[in-house]
Amino acid sequence: QSVLTQPPSVSAAPGQKVTISCSGSSSNIGHDYVSWYQQLPGTAPKLLIYENNKRPSGIPDRFSGSRSGTSATLGITGLQTGDEADYYCGTWDDSLSAFVFGTGTKVTVL
Amino acid sequence: EVQLVESGGGLVQPGGSLRLSCAASGFSFSSYWMTWVRQAPGKGLNWVATIKQDGSEKYYVDSVKGRFTVSRDNAKNTLYLQMNSLRVEDTAVYYCGRMQEASEVDCWGQGTLVTVSP
Repeated sequence: QSVLTQPPSVSAAPGQKVTISCSGSSSNIGHDYVSWYQQLPGTAPKLLIYENNKRPSGIPDRFSGSRSGTSATLGITGLQTGDEADYYCGTWDDSLSAFVFGTGTKVTVL
Repeated sequence: EVQLVESGGGLVQPGGSLRLSCAASGFSFSSYWMTWVRQAPGKGLNWVATIKQDGSEKYYVDSVKGRFTVSRDNAKNTLYLQMNSLRVEDTAVYYCGRMQEASEVDCWGQGTLVTVSP
């Protein structure tokens, strides 16, 4: 059972915005940087956001990240059909001495 | 181009062993933490193990402690995962990844499937 909780699914129409929450605790999100990953169907995960709100080269600015206290949020604006994927948050948990992933959220474009 | 290529997966019986390898290229392998992440069929991502640049620090998820061993050969630019006493619940695609100071996984391999079945 993951220590980071995400909603199982979110959906919106093309062009709209979705947000995905990631809830943790003081030993993980409240203590270390949060990263976000996109996993398209049948492919390996890809880093989307690191250090809470930074985008790797090549990731469009439609994707954004934020952290407040023991929660983090991924935002996707201008939703496209190609954004349909599973999204995971991740961070180091200092109490567990382990990296932890969120439960995952499936994004559906209506 | 940064590239990670896993190998060594396959079908094994419960109680058996496998060694996974991850060949790295396109970057200075010895400068990065490295990690293994697995994904059971239809399930989410689960971190397995992480190793520091020089192998001096290793971390494992509780469910594999005492059974799995992560190691690296910086001369060969290769990461390993020795898996012993395998269980049915270890069945998953295993990904290797490059980490930035144990903070995020910024590069992933394509994965190798491990199936543990009688």
